[in-house]
Amino acid sequence: AQSVTQPDIHITVSEGASLELRCNYSYGATPYLFWYVQSPGQGLQLLLKYFSGDTLVQGIKGFEAEFKRSQSSFNLRKPSVHWSDAAEYFCAVALYNNNDMRFGAGTRLTVKP
Amino acid sequence: DGGITQSPKYLFRKEGQNVTLSCEQNLNHDAMYWYRQDPGQGLRLIYYSQIVNDFQKGDIAEGYSVSREKKESFPLTVTSAQKNPTAFYLCASSPGVVQPQHFGDGTRLSIL
Repeated sequence: AQSVTQPDIHITVSEGASLELRCNYSYGATPYLFWYVQSPGQGLQLLLKYFSGDTLVQGIKGFEAEFKRSQSSFNLRKPSVHWSDAAEYFCAVALYNNNDMRFGAGTRLTVKP
Repeated sequence: DGGITQSPKYLFRKEGQNVTLSCEQNLNHDAMYWYRQDPGQGLRLIYYSQIVNDFQKGDIAEGYSVSREKKESFPLTVTSAQKNPTAFYLCASSPGVVQPQHFGDGTRLSIL
Protein backbone atom coordinates (compact mmCIF):
# COMPACT_ATOMS: atom_id res chain seq x y z
CA ALA A 1 0.00 0.00 0.00
CA GLN A 2 1.13 3.53 -0.68
CA SER A 3 2.36 5.30 2.44
CA VAL A 4 4.37 8.23 3.72
CA THR A 5 6.40 7.93 6.89
CA GLN A 6 7.97 10.61 9.02
CA PRO A 7 9.86 8.57 11.61
CA ASP A 8 10.43 11.41 14.06
CA ILE A 9 7.38 12.69 15.91
CA HIS A 10 9.29 15.40 17.76
CA ILE A 11 12.77 16.85 17.31
CA THR A 12 14.55 19.41 19.47
CA VAL A 13 17.55 21.34 18.19
CA SER A 14 19.51 24.30 19.48
CA GLU A 15 19.29 27.59 17.64
CA GLY A 16 22.09 27.76 15.09
CA ALA A 17 22.43 23.99 14.83
CA SER A 18 21.75 22.08 11.64
CA LEU A 19 18.49 20.23 11.04
CA GLU A 20 17.43 17.18 9.10
CA LEU A 21 13.84 15.93 9.04
CA ARG A 22 13.25 12.52 7.54
CA CYS A 23 10.59 11.42 5.08
CA ASN A 24 10.24 8.00 3.50
CA TYR A 25 7.62 6.84 1.05
CA SER A 26 6.41 3.54 -0.26
CA TYR A 27 5.23 3.90 -3.85
CA GLY A 28 5.72 1.80 -6.95
CA ALA A 29 6.89 4.75 -9.01
CA THR A 30 8.56 8.06 -8.28
CA PRO A 31 5.88 10.38 -6.94
CA TYR A 32 5.65 14.13 -6.65
CA LEU A 33 7.17 15.18 -3.30
CA PHE A 34 6.44 18.17 -1.08
CA TRP A 35 7.38 19.63 2.29
CA TYR A 36 4.95 21.91 4.11
CA VAL A 37 5.29 23.81 7.39
CA GLN A 38 2.47 24.60 9.82
CA SER A 39 2.56 27.08 12.69
CA PRO A 40 0.13 26.45 15.57
CA GLY A 41 -3.49 27.12 14.65
CA GLN A 42 -2.67 27.99 11.07
CA GLY A 43 -2.73 26.42 7.65
CA LEU A 44 0.13 24.82 5.79
CA GLN A 45 2.73 26.71 3.80
CA LEU A 46 4.70 25.10 0.99
CA LEU A 47 8.44 24.99 1.65
CA LEU A 48 9.55 23.19 -1.48
CA LYS A 49 8.58 20.56 -4.03
CA TYR A 50 10.20 17.95 -6.25
CA PHE A 51 8.66 16.95 -9.55
CA SER A 52 11.68 15.86 -11.60
CA GLY A 53 15.22 16.85 -12.51
CA ASP A 54 17.85 17.95 -10.00
CA THR A 55 17.48 15.83 -6.89
CA LEU A 56 18.56 18.65 -4.57
CA VAL A 57 15.72 21.14 -4.26
CA GLN A 58 15.96 24.61 -2.77
CA GLY A 59 13.00 26.10 -0.98
CA ILE A 60 11.96 29.12 1.01
CA LYS A 61 13.34 30.18 4.40
CA GLY A 62 16.72 28.55 3.69
CA PHE A 63 15.41 24.99 3.51
CA GLU A 64 16.50 22.36 1.04
CA ALA A 65 15.56 18.73 0.43
CA GLU A 66 17.25 15.87 -1.34
CA PHE A 67 15.41 13.17 -3.25
CA LYS A 68 17.11 9.79 -3.04
CA ARG A 69 15.41 7.26 -5.29
CA SER A 70 17.41 4.30 -3.96
CA GLN A 71 16.29 5.04 -0.41
CA SER A 72 12.75 6.24 -1.25
CA SER A 73 13.49 9.30 0.83
CA PHE A 74 13.01 13.05 0.62
CA ASN A 75 14.70 14.52 3.69
CA LEU A 76 14.45 18.18 4.58
CA ARG A 77 17.54 20.06 5.75
CA LYS A 78 18.56 23.46 7.03
CA PRO A 79 22.17 24.40 7.87
CA SER A 80 21.35 26.75 10.75
CA VAL A 81 18.01 26.76 12.54
CA HIS A 82 16.37 29.95 13.76
CA TRP A 83 13.92 30.18 16.67
CA SER A 84 11.19 31.12 14.17
CA ASP A 85 11.55 27.70 12.52
CA ALA A 86 9.75 26.08 15.46
CA ALA A 87 6.63 24.55 13.89
CA GLU A 88 5.26 21.27 12.58
CA TYR A 89 6.60 19.95 9.30
CA PHE A 90 4.73 17.69 6.94
CA CYS A 91 6.03 15.62 4.08
CA ALA A 92 3.46 14.99 1.34
CA VAL A 93 3.52 12.64 -1.62
CA ALA A 94 1.29 12.40 -4.69
CA LEU A 95 1.58 9.77 -7.39
CA TYR A 96 -0.57 11.40 -10.05
CA ASN A 97 -2.01 14.66 -8.72
CA ASN A 98 -3.32 16.45 -5.62
CA ASN A 99 -6.37 14.18 -5.52
CA ASP A 100 -4.26 11.24 -4.36
CA MET A 101 -1.89 13.17 -2.12
CA ARG A 102 -0.86 11.54 1.15
CA PHE A 103 0.56 13.42 4.10
CA GLY A 104 2.93 12.11 6.71
CA ALA A 105 1.94 12.38 10.36
CA GLY A 106 4.24 15.36 10.83
CA THR A 107 7.37 16.19 12.82
CA ARG A 108 7.17 18.83 15.49
CA LEU A 109 10.30 20.95 15.74
CA THR A 110 11.29 22.67 18.96
CA VAL A 111 14.17 25.15 18.90
CA LYS A 112 16.15 25.69 22.11
CA PRO A 113 17.70 29.11 22.71
CA ASP B 1 -3.79 40.11 -1.26
CA GLY B 2 -4.96 36.85 -2.78
CA GLY B 3 -5.62 33.96 -0.52
CA ILE B 4 -8.03 31.54 1.07
CA THR B 5 -10.41 32.61 3.81
CA GLN B 6 -11.93 30.06 6.13
CA SER B 7 -14.67 30.98 8.58
CA PRO B 8 -15.41 30.74 11.37
CA LYS B 9 -12.08 30.09 13.09
CA TYR B 10 -13.82 28.19 15.90
CA LEU B 11 -17.13 26.35 15.67
CA PHE B 12 -19.14 24.33 18.14
CA ARG B 13 -21.69 21.69 17.21
CA LYS B 14 -24.50 20.27 19.26
CA GLU B 15 -25.62 16.67 19.01
CA GLY B 16 -27.73 16.03 15.92
CA GLN B 17 -26.84 19.34 14.35
CA ASN B 18 -25.42 20.02 10.91
CA VAL B 19 -22.81 22.76 10.66
CA THR B 20 -21.28 24.42 7.61
CA LEU B 21 -17.70 25.57 7.28
CA SER B 22 -16.99 28.32 4.80
CA CYS B 23 -14.07 28.42 2.36
CA GLU B 24 -13.58 31.27 -0.09
CA GLN B 25 -10.62 31.86 -2.41
CA ASN B 26 -9.73 34.82 -4.60
CA LEU B 27 -6.78 33.14 -6.32
CA ASN B 28 -8.83 32.15 -9.37
CA HIS B 29 -7.89 28.52 -8.74
CA ASP B 30 -9.86 25.77 -10.41
CA ALA B 31 -9.28 23.03 -7.84
CA MET B 32 -10.35 23.11 -4.20
CA TYR B 33 -9.96 20.62 -1.36
CA TRP B 34 -11.12 19.90 2.17
CA TYR B 35 -8.88 18.13 4.65
CA ARG B 36 -9.35 16.95 8.19
CA GLN B 37 -6.43 17.12 10.60
CA ASP B 38 -6.28 15.10 13.79
CA PRO B 39 -3.34 15.11 16.21
CA GLY B 40 -0.59 12.73 15.13
CA GLN B 41 -2.34 11.75 11.89
CA GLY B 42 -1.43 14.37 9.36
CA LEU B 43 -4.07 15.50 6.87
CA ARG B 44 -6.75 13.33 5.32
CA LEU B 45 -8.72 14.29 2.22
CA ILE B 46 -12.49 14.66 2.67
CA TYR B 47 -13.66 16.03 -0.69
CA TYR B 48 -12.14 17.71 -3.69
CA SER B 49 -13.44 19.66 -6.66
CA GLN B 50 -11.61 20.22 -9.92
CA ILE B 51 -14.21 22.47 -11.54
CA VAL B 52 -17.44 24.24 -10.71
CA ASN B 53 -20.47 21.99 -10.20
CA ASP B 54 -18.31 18.91 -9.85
CA PHE B 55 -16.77 17.30 -6.78
CA GLN B 56 -15.47 13.91 -5.72
CA LYS B 57 -15.19 12.01 -2.46
CA GLY B 58 -11.84 11.69 -0.82
CA ASP B 59 -10.68 9.10 1.68
CA ILE B 60 -13.01 10.04 4.54
CA ALA B 61 -16.15 11.55 2.96
CA GLU B 62 -18.71 9.74 5.13
CA GLY B 63 -20.68 12.19 7.26
CA TYR B 64 -19.66 15.20 5.16
CA SER B 65 -21.14 16.99 2.16
CA VAL B 66 -19.95 19.80 -0.11
CA SER B 67 -21.11 22.01 -2.94
CA ARG B 68 -19.27 23.96 -5.64
CA GLU B 69 -21.70 26.41 -7.16
CA LYS B 70 -19.11 29.13 -7.65
CA LYS B 71 -15.45 28.89 -8.55
CA GLU B 72 -14.38 30.83 -5.47
CA SER B 73 -16.48 28.99 -2.88
CA PHE B 74 -16.36 25.42 -1.58
CA PRO B 75 -18.38 25.07 1.67
CA LEU B 76 -18.20 21.91 3.76
CA THR B 77 -21.16 20.65 5.80
CA VAL B 78 -20.47 18.36 8.72
CA THR B 79 -23.65 16.38 9.15
CA SER B 80 -25.05 14.67 12.21
CA ALA B 81 -23.96 11.38 10.62
CA GLN B 82 -20.34 12.28 11.36
CA LYS B 83 -20.00 10.78 14.82
CA ASN B 84 -16.55 12.10 15.59
CA PRO B 85 -16.40 15.59 14.07
CA THR B 86 -13.98 17.17 16.53
CA ALA B 87 -10.96 18.13 14.43
CA PHE B 88 -9.14 20.92 12.65
CA TYR B 89 -10.49 21.42 9.12
CA LEU B 90 -8.34 22.87 6.37
CA CYS B 91 -9.42 24.13 2.97
CA ALA B 92 -6.94 24.36 0.11
CA SER B 93 -6.88 25.34 -3.54
CA SER B 94 -4.55 24.94 -6.49
CA PRO B 95 -4.45 26.26 -10.07
CA GLY B 96 -4.61 22.70 -11.37
CA VAL B 97 -4.47 19.23 -9.91
CA VAL B 98 -0.67 18.93 -10.12
CA GLN B 99 0.36 22.37 -8.86
CA PRO B 100 1.04 22.82 -5.13
CA GLN B 101 -1.87 23.73 -2.91
CA HIS B 102 -2.47 26.93 -0.99
CA PHE B 103 -4.08 26.50 2.41
CA GLY B 104 -6.44 28.54 4.52
CA ASP B 105 -5.90 29.03 8.26
CA GLY B 106 -8.41 26.39 9.23
CA THR B 107 -11.55 25.98 11.32
CA ARG B 108 -11.46 24.14 14.63
CA LEU B 109 -14.70 22.25 15.22
CA SER B 110 -15.65 21.01 18.68
CA ILE B 111 -18.65 19.25 20.17
CA LEU B 112 -20.75 20.89 22.88
